[in-house]
Amino acid sequence: GQQLNQSPQSMFIQEGEDVSMNCTSSSIFNTWLWYKQDPGEGPVLLIALYKAGELTSNGRLTAQFGITRKDSFLNISASIPSDVGIYFCAGQEGGADGLTFGKGTHLIIQP
Amino acid sequence: EAGVTQSPTHLIKTRGQQATLRCSPISGHTSVYWYQQALGLGLQFLLWYDEGEERNRGNFPPRFSGRQFPNYSSELNVNALELEDSALYLCASSLIGQASYGYTFGSGTRLTVV
Repeated sequence: GQQLNQSPQSMFIQEGEDVSMNCTSSSIFNTWLWYKQDPGEGPVLLIALYKAGELTSNGRLTAQFGITRKDSFLNISASIPSDVGIYFCAGQEGGADGLTFGKGTHLIIQP
Repeated sequence: EAGVTQSPTHLIKTRGQQATLRCSPISGHTSVYWYQQALGLGLQFLLWYDEGEERNRGNFPPRFSGRQFPNYSSELNVNALELEDSALYLCASSLIGQASYGYTFGSGTRLTVV
């Protein structure tokens, strides 16, 4: 099936730094979603994108639906300790019934 | 509104035994998805049920099976447990045909096989 390439696999940053991660696919997606998973919990939906070029914010988080419809980006500004976790991208191809998930980006904030 | 609930939260089994995990979707959601997440790794798709039928299956052996009940709750059964089955098992739900709005996940069942 379709694979999503999510990078980086992990990030070690200092508190206060900005964070960027991305997700790419080999085919066109109609929907891009970003999730965050706290340790020991299920993933929680952060942002949903439905239109090429769309830029959507949720607090310090901003995500973009790539113009080519084959990629998406998530930025976190001024990171804080509670941003620690695993961030997953997910997408839905045209004609597909379900979502495809990326392998996740582990965000670790160093004191 | 109650979210997706999973039980038990933790389960310890011996190799060779069977495990049964349960999931109740959000009220009104008819699709239930099961994922396996080994420690620190990504989400591996297991099964998708809707309206009592298995709609899709991931690349897992037949000893992973499940079912969906008339009230849309679901069970995941893992037979002949192996040590590598130790993982967090996540259930998610959505309205049929509404995957684009995202899945809502439960908090998972942590299965440990010893």
